[in-house]
Amino acid sequence: QTVVTQEPSFSVSPGGTVTLTCGLSSGSVSTSNYPNWYQQTPGQTPRTLISNTNTRSSGVPDRFSGSILGNKAALTITGAQADDECDYYCVLYMGSGIVLFGGGTKLTVL
Amino acid sequence: EVQLLESGGGLVQPGGSLRLSCAASGFIFSNYAMNWVRQAPGKGLEWVSGISGGGTSTNYADSVKGRFTVSRDNSKNTLNLQMNSLRVEDTAVYYCARDVRTATTHGHFDFWGQGTLVTVSS
Repeated sequence: QTVVTQEPSFSVSPGGTVTLTCGLSSGSVSTSNYPNWYQQTPGQTPRTLISNTNTRSSGVPDRFSGSILGNKAALTITGAQADDECDYYCVLYMGSGIVLFGGGTKLTVL
Repeated sequence: EVQLLESGGGLVQPGGSLRLSCAASGFIFSNYAMNWVRQAPGKGLEWVSGISGGGTSTNYADSVKGRFTVSRDNSKNTLNLQMNSLRVEDTAVYYCARDVRTATTHGHFDFWGQGTLVTVSS
């Protein structure tokens, strides 16, 4: 059974740049998986950051960007801020109306 | 203003059933696919099920296939999830989420409800 993989945790310094990745336990991620990225702060519902690989949602700062890096989808945060500290989830389209979330990455800004 | 309001959560014994509903307002309901996404306490997000705008196409995660049934009533702007043969591992907050597409999802959910808690325990 295919699993979507994400780093369980990541740390970045304020003002720094971090790239979170989203892969598949078997195979490569491509634009055909329509990678989407969500941000979730504790106690809140998820917020869409990036859709369809690299489209920023309305109101999302341009320090967030999405791409395909090698065989994974990637979310890059440039100039990290304290309020970027939260959980990040990717979700991939697997075909036939099925999508899978990754396990999420807990980002620490310190 | 788009609003999604889930209801129907609660405590149920293993093997039992529960029916969740999501009342939608502020948009043309039939123009959008809808989804259920759950989050177990302290855990990550898990897509559970999706249904197309017209209700003709439904899909399920392997973990719930054969036990859960998604449906919608476009005349009442309501999304439903019938959950049977519930297991302890189904314990989670269940969110309904609007898709940006009319057809089945590609994973882009633009509006979420606040969720309803389902606890499966003896």
